[in-house]
Amino acid sequence: EVQLVESGGGLVQPGGSLRLSCEVSGFTFSSYSMNWVRQAPGKGLEWISYISTTSNTIYYADSVKGRFTISRDNAKNSLSLQMNGLTDEDTAVYYCARDRTTGNTRGRFDYWGQGTLVSVSS
Amino acid sequence: DIVMTQSPDSLAVSLGERATINCKSSQSVLKSSNNKDYLAWYKQKPGQPPMLLIHWASTRESGVPDRFSGSGSGTDFTLTISSLQAEDVAVYYCHQYLTTPWTFGQGTKVEIE
Repeated sequence: EVQLVESGGGLVQPGGSLRLSCEVSGFTFSSYSMNWVRQAPGKGLEWISYISTTSNTIYYADSVKGRFTISRDNAKNSLSLQMNGLTDEDTAVYYCARDRTTGNTRGRFDYWGQGTLVSVSS
Repeated sequence: DIVMTQSPDSLAVSLGERATINCKSSQSVLKSSNNKDYLAWYKQKPGQPPMLLIHWASTRESGVPDRFSGSGSGTDFTLTISSLQAEDVAVYYCHQYLTTPWTFGQGTKVEIE
């Protein structure tokens, strides 16, 4: 059974930092690209970052570029998101999502974790 | 960025009746080199993560009931639930994966009338 479990969320002050993790099981992690998608309370979905299997291709949404860093450790079946310079607009549930990559096609999210809540407030 | 706009924002349908959700993209998501529309639909039930229902505009994911169907091409797409069931109450999102940033519609909430 495919499982993705996020952790690391919590309450942080504006300007602060947080590191999210996503532990996966039930599939060969090193064979799949991964993503982070967030959802502000009561709002819609926003894709924020993508990382390829070997970390050689990384994308960010403009809203997080320069502040967030995605990374992965294939030996530990783990995906991470380092978040710096947090603002109240970053308050959201953060989901890790597996990418359904076929050939050159990326950006479909076929398995999701349950999400971890990040709250930015003073 | 490609802006995805869904309509309506919400709809209430009687059990067993048809539900139709529209999605319009600000530019075509049809890739001419392979004649495929880079459009997906997700379902999100309250308190749960989204679930991929349909990709390539009309290809159902394994295990998705056939009452769910996707149609359209270019900039205009539709998700149809042919006979609404209680378990279909959710928010539905369209999503383009043609170009980054990959973007979602604002969501359409489907309820039972």
